[in-house]
Amino acid sequence: DAGVTQSPTHLIKTRGQQVTLRCSPKSGHDTVSWYQQALGQGPQFIFQYYEEEERQRGNFPDRFSGHQFPNYSSELNVNALLLGDSALYLCASSVLQGWETEAFFGQGTRLTVV
Amino acid sequence: DAKTTQPPSMDCAEGRAANLPCNHSTISGNEYVYWYRQIHSQGPQYIIHGLKNNETNEMASLIITEDRKSSTLILPHATLRDTAVYYCIVRVGETSGSRLTFGEGTQLTVNP
Repeated sequence: DAGVTQSPTHLIKTRGQQVTLRCSPKSGHDTVSWYQQALGQGPQFIFQYYEEEERQRGNFPDRFSGHQFPNYSSELNVNALLLGDSALYLCASSVLQGWETEAFFGQGTRLTVV
Repeated sequence: DAKTTQPPSMDCAEGRAANLPCNHSTISGNEYVYWYRQIHSQGPQYIIHGLKNNETNEMASLIITEDRKSSTLILPHATLRDTAVYYCIVRVGETSGSRLTFGEGTQLTVNP
């Protein structure tokens, strides 16, 4: 079992650019959530996808958007990058069948905006 | 979800028990206590959770006070690999789900 996999592991972008991060959930999982973790802080919930729709959203601007594919994999898109978007972006997957199971996290994508 | 308070850092000698405290004085009756840890530059990892009874698994023990206003995560024989940030999270639901509210956690450093 490959667990939750994220790509790329590291990325450097210029302010104003757009970025797409990818996540493959753990086998058998159908729900994907994204987190942003700034240096020295705990992860902050961005949004959650289930059945290809955004199910829950945290306090993040519309520049942050996502997508879930029929195979349950997911993308996180960030437009008009700001220096403050530099962070570790984490993906977590779980199963939602009436109730949601424990979440498994990927290793994250380290985004640096210069 | 109830707010939690943890010390920012703790040290422990290798082989000794590490006791990590967490205060959650506003916890509601249907809220569980969850513990996750995050080793440097990796994703958070689930450790253990409980409602009101003490819990133990292969990784750790969780002691919840009778009034449920605080809890302690115990790593019985800490190793260098246990050096990590430990997060105490309180939320409704017997399973954690993937919408978790992380605080700043406790940086545990296990020393040789």
